[in-house]
Amino acid sequence: GQQVMQIPQYQHVQEGEDFTTYCNSSTTLSNIQWYKQRPGGHPVFLIQLVKSGEVKKQKRLTFQFGEAKKNSSLHITATQTTDVGTYFCAGEYNQGGKLIFGQGTELSVKP
Amino acid sequence: DAGITQSPRYKITETGRQVTLMCHQTWSHSYMFWYRQDLGHGLRLIYYSAAADITDKGEVPDGYVVSRSKTENFPLTLESATRSQTSVYFCASSLGLRQADTQYFGPGTRLTVL
Repeated sequence: GQQVMQIPQYQHVQEGEDFTTYCNSSTTLSNIQWYKQRPGGHPVFLIQLVKSGEVKKQKRLTFQFGEAKKNSSLHITATQTTDVGTYFCAGEYNQGGKLIFGQGTELSVKP
Repeated sequence: DAGITQSPRYKITETGRQVTLMCHQTWSHSYMFWYRQDLGHGLRLIYYSAAADITDKGEVPDGYVVSRSKTENFPLTLESATRSQTSVYFCASSLGLRQADTQYFGPGTRLTVL
Protein backbone atom coordinates (compact mmCIF):
# COMPACT_ATOMS: atom_id res chain seq x y z
CA GLY A 1 0.00 0.00 0.00
CA GLN A 2 0.89 3.65 0.02
CA GLN A 3 3.49 4.44 2.61
CA VAL A 4 5.60 7.43 3.56
CA MET A 5 8.92 6.58 5.18
CA GLN A 6 10.55 9.19 7.38
CA ILE A 7 14.08 9.20 8.77
CA PRO A 8 15.67 9.49 11.20
CA GLN A 9 13.29 8.48 13.97
CA TYR A 10 15.24 10.48 16.56
CA GLN A 11 17.77 13.28 16.35
CA HIS A 12 19.63 14.83 19.23
CA VAL A 13 21.52 18.04 18.50
CA GLN A 14 23.36 20.74 20.35
CA GLU A 15 21.71 24.11 20.20
CA GLY A 16 23.00 25.95 17.16
CA GLU A 17 23.55 22.82 15.07
CA ASP A 18 21.54 22.13 11.95
CA PHE A 19 18.87 19.43 11.63
CA THR A 20 17.36 17.63 8.65
CA THR A 21 14.57 15.08 8.37
CA TYR A 22 13.72 13.20 5.18
CA CYS A 23 10.57 11.65 3.77
CA ASN A 24 10.36 9.15 0.95
CA SER A 25 7.50 7.58 -0.94
CA SER A 26 7.71 4.72 -3.42
CA THR A 27 5.03 6.34 -5.57
CA THR A 28 4.42 9.89 -6.71
CA LEU A 29 2.70 12.24 -4.31
CA SER A 30 0.28 14.94 -5.37
CA ASN A 31 1.46 17.11 -2.51
CA ILE A 32 3.20 16.88 0.83
CA GLN A 33 2.58 18.67 4.09
CA TRP A 34 4.71 19.12 7.18
CA TYR A 35 3.48 19.25 10.75
CA LYS A 36 5.13 19.87 14.10
CA GLN A 37 4.01 18.34 17.36
CA ARG A 38 5.39 19.72 20.60
CA PRO A 39 5.77 17.27 23.51
CA GLY A 40 2.33 16.59 24.94
CA GLY A 41 0.66 18.59 22.21
CA HIS A 42 -1.13 18.02 18.96
CA PRO A 43 0.20 18.26 15.39
CA VAL A 44 0.25 21.76 13.96
CA PHE A 45 0.46 22.50 10.25
CA LEU A 46 3.71 24.08 9.04
CA ILE A 47 3.61 24.10 5.26
CA GLN A 48 2.37 22.44 2.08
CA LEU A 49 4.46 21.74 -1.03
CA VAL A 50 2.74 21.04 -4.32
CA LYS A 51 5.09 21.62 -7.23
CA SER A 52 7.95 19.45 -8.40
CA GLY A 53 11.26 20.82 -7.07
CA GLU A 54 9.51 23.36 -4.88
CA VAL A 55 11.50 25.02 -2.10
CA LYS A 56 9.89 27.10 0.63
CA LYS A 57 11.41 28.87 3.58
CA GLN A 58 10.02 29.92 6.92
CA LYS A 59 12.70 31.80 8.84
CA ARG A 60 15.22 29.07 9.77
CA LEU A 61 13.16 26.24 8.24
CA THR A 62 13.66 25.16 4.62
CA PHE A 63 11.30 22.71 2.98
CA GLN A 64 11.99 20.92 -0.30
CA PHE A 65 9.90 18.73 -2.58
CA GLY A 66 11.82 16.45 -4.90
CA GLU A 67 11.76 16.71 -8.67
CA ALA A 68 9.97 13.37 -8.95
CA LYS A 69 7.54 14.32 -6.14
CA LYS A 70 8.53 11.22 -4.23
CA ASN A 71 10.64 12.74 -1.51
CA SER A 72 10.81 15.78 0.68
CA SER A 73 13.01 17.25 3.37
CA LEU A 74 12.84 19.73 6.20
CA HIS A 75 16.04 21.48 7.21
CA ILE A 76 16.38 23.66 10.29
CA THR A 77 19.37 25.96 10.46
CA ALA A 78 20.91 26.76 13.84
CA THR A 79 18.43 24.92 16.01
CA GLN A 80 16.98 26.51 19.11
CA THR A 81 15.36 24.91 22.14
CA THR A 82 12.01 26.09 20.83
CA ASP A 83 12.45 23.72 17.87
CA VAL A 84 12.03 20.69 20.14
CA GLY A 85 9.25 18.36 19.08
CA THR A 86 8.32 15.75 16.53
CA TYR A 87 8.19 16.69 12.86
CA PHE A 88 5.87 14.78 10.58
CA CYS A 89 5.59 14.75 6.86
CA ALA A 90 2.24 13.77 5.37
CA GLY A 91 1.70 12.92 1.75
CA GLU A 92 -1.41 12.92 -0.37
CA TYR A 93 -1.84 10.47 -3.22
CA ASN A 94 -4.16 11.09 -6.17
CA GLN A 95 -5.84 14.09 -4.55
CA GLY A 96 -8.07 11.83 -2.52
CA GLY A 97 -8.25 14.18 0.45
CA LYS A 98 -6.49 11.74 2.79
CA LEU A 99 -3.01 12.21 4.13
CA ILE A 100 -0.56 9.40 4.85
CA PHE A 101 1.72 10.41 7.69
CA GLY A 102 5.34 9.44 8.08
CA GLN A 103 6.46 8.00 11.40
CA GLY A 104 7.88 11.34 12.50
CA THR A 105 11.31 12.55 13.57
CA GLU A 106 11.66 13.48 17.22
CA LEU A 107 14.08 16.37 17.66
CA SER A 108 15.71 17.15 20.97
CA VAL A 109 17.95 20.18 21.40
CA LYS A 110 20.52 20.41 24.13
CA PRO A 111 21.15 23.98 25.31
CA ASP B 1 -13.39 30.72 18.67
CA ALA B 2 -13.51 27.15 19.99
CA GLY B 3 -12.01 25.52 16.90
CA ILE B 4 -11.87 21.79 17.31
CA THR B 5 -12.44 20.11 20.64
CA GLN B 6 -12.28 16.55 21.87
CA SER B 7 -13.78 14.91 24.90
CA PRO B 8 -12.91 13.34 27.16
CA ARG B 9 -9.23 14.28 27.27
CA TYR B 10 -8.38 11.20 29.30
CA LYS B 11 -10.24 7.93 29.58
CA ILE B 12 -9.54 4.65 31.33
CA THR B 13 -11.76 1.72 30.50
CA GLU B 14 -11.76 -2.04 30.67
CA THR B 15 -11.49 -4.66 27.98
CA GLY B 16 -14.83 -5.37 26.37
CA ARG B 17 -16.51 -2.08 27.23
CA GLN B 18 -17.91 0.32 24.69
CA VAL B 19 -16.25 3.72 24.57
CA THR B 20 -17.18 6.79 22.54
CA LEU B 21 -14.76 9.60 21.88
CA MET B 22 -16.30 12.90 20.87
CA CYS B 23 -15.05 15.45 18.37
CA HIS B 24 -16.64 18.82 17.65
CA GLN B 25 -15.54 21.58 15.27
CA THR B 26 -16.95 25.06 14.88
CA TRP B 27 -15.54 25.93 11.43
CA SER B 28 -18.09 24.05 9.30
CA HIS B 29 -15.22 22.16 7.70
CA SER B 30 -16.33 19.47 5.30
CA TYR B 31 -13.69 16.89 6.14
CA MET B 32 -13.12 15.29 9.52
CA PHE B 33 -10.62 12.61 10.45
CA TRP B 34 -9.76 10.27 13.29
CA TYR B 35 -6.17 9.21 13.86
CA ARG B 36 -4.46 7.13 16.46
CA GLN B 37 -0.90 7.85 17.52
CA ASP B 38 1.36 5.12 18.86
CA LEU B 39 5.10 5.13 19.41
CA GLY B 40 6.94 4.18 16.25
CA HIS B 41 3.84 4.42 14.06
CA GLY B 42 3.26 8.10 13.72
CA LEU B 43 -0.34 9.01 12.99
CA ARG B 44 -2.52 6.34 11.44
CA LEU B 45 -5.86 7.17 9.91
CA ILE B 46 -8.80 5.24 11.35
CA TYR B 47 -11.80 6.76 9.56
CA TYR B 48 -12.59 9.95 7.78
CA SER B 49 -15.65 11.77 6.58
CA ALA B 50 -16.03 14.06 3.58
CA ALA B 51 -19.40 15.44 4.70
CA ALA B 52 -22.38 14.65 6.89
CA ASP B 53 -23.54 11.06 6.37
CA ILE B 54 -20.44 10.21 4.31
CA THR B 55 -17.71 8.18 5.99
CA ASP B 56 -14.89 5.99 4.75
CA LYS B 57 -12.26 3.68 6.16
CA GLY B 58 -8.66 4.66 6.69
CA GLU B 59 -5.63 2.47 7.32
CA VAL B 60 -6.71 0.88 10.62
CA PRO B 61 -10.55 0.83 10.86
CA ASP B 62 -11.06 -2.58 12.51
CA GLY B 63 -12.72 -2.36 15.91
CA TYR B 64 -13.98 1.19 15.38
CA VAL B 65 -17.27 2.69 14.28
CA VAL B 66 -17.98 6.28 13.26
CA SER B 67 -21.00 8.35 12.39
CA ARG B 68 -21.54 11.86 11.17
CA SER B 69 -25.14 12.97 11.40
CA LYS B 70 -24.12 16.64 11.75
CA THR B 71 -21.27 18.45 10.01
CA GLU B 72 -19.75 19.64 13.28
CA ASN B 73 -19.63 16.30 15.13
CA PHE B 74 -17.69 13.15 14.37
CA PRO B 75 -17.82 10.63 17.23
CA LEU B 76 -15.59 7.55 17.28
CA THR B 77 -16.88 4.43 19.03
CA LEU B 78 -14.90 1.43 20.17
CA GLU B 79 -17.63 -1.17 20.35
CA SER B 80 -15.66 -3.63 22.49
CA ALA B 81 -12.39 -2.11 23.62
CA THR B 82 -9.20 -4.15 23.52
CA ARG B 83 -5.79 -3.48 25.09
CA SER B 84 -4.32 -2.91 21.64
CA GLN B 85 -6.59 0.13 21.32
CA THR B 86 -4.72 1.91 24.11
CA SER B 87 -3.46 4.98 22.31
CA VAL B 88 -3.74 8.71 21.87
CA TYR B 89 -6.59 9.59 19.54
CA PHE B 90 -6.61 12.77 17.50
CA CYS B 91 -9.51 14.22 15.64
CA ALA B 92 -8.81 16.64 12.80
CA SER B 93 -10.79 18.69 10.33
CA SER B 94 -10.05 20.38 7.04
CA LEU B 95 -11.88 22.57 4.58
CA GLY B 96 -11.42 19.76 2.06
CA LEU B 97 -11.25 20.80 -1.54
CA ARG B 98 -9.49 19.35 -4.57
CA GLN B 99 -6.25 18.73 -2.70
CA ALA B 100 -5.76 17.74 0.89
CA ASP B 101 -6.09 20.98 2.75
CA THR B 102 -4.45 21.91 5.99
CA GLN B 103 -5.67 19.68 8.76
CA TYR B 104 -6.44 21.21 12.14
CA PHE B 105 -6.02 18.84 15.01
CA GLY B 106 -7.85 18.67 18.29
CA PRO B 107 -5.97 18.33 21.58
CA GLY B 108 -6.27 14.55 21.63
CA THR B 109 -7.81 11.92 23.89
CA ARG B 110 -5.51 9.59 25.80
CA LEU B 111 -7.28 6.25 26.10
CA THR B 112 -6.10 3.42 28.30
CA VAL B 113 -7.75 0.02 28.05
CA LEU B 114 -7.04 -2.24 31.02
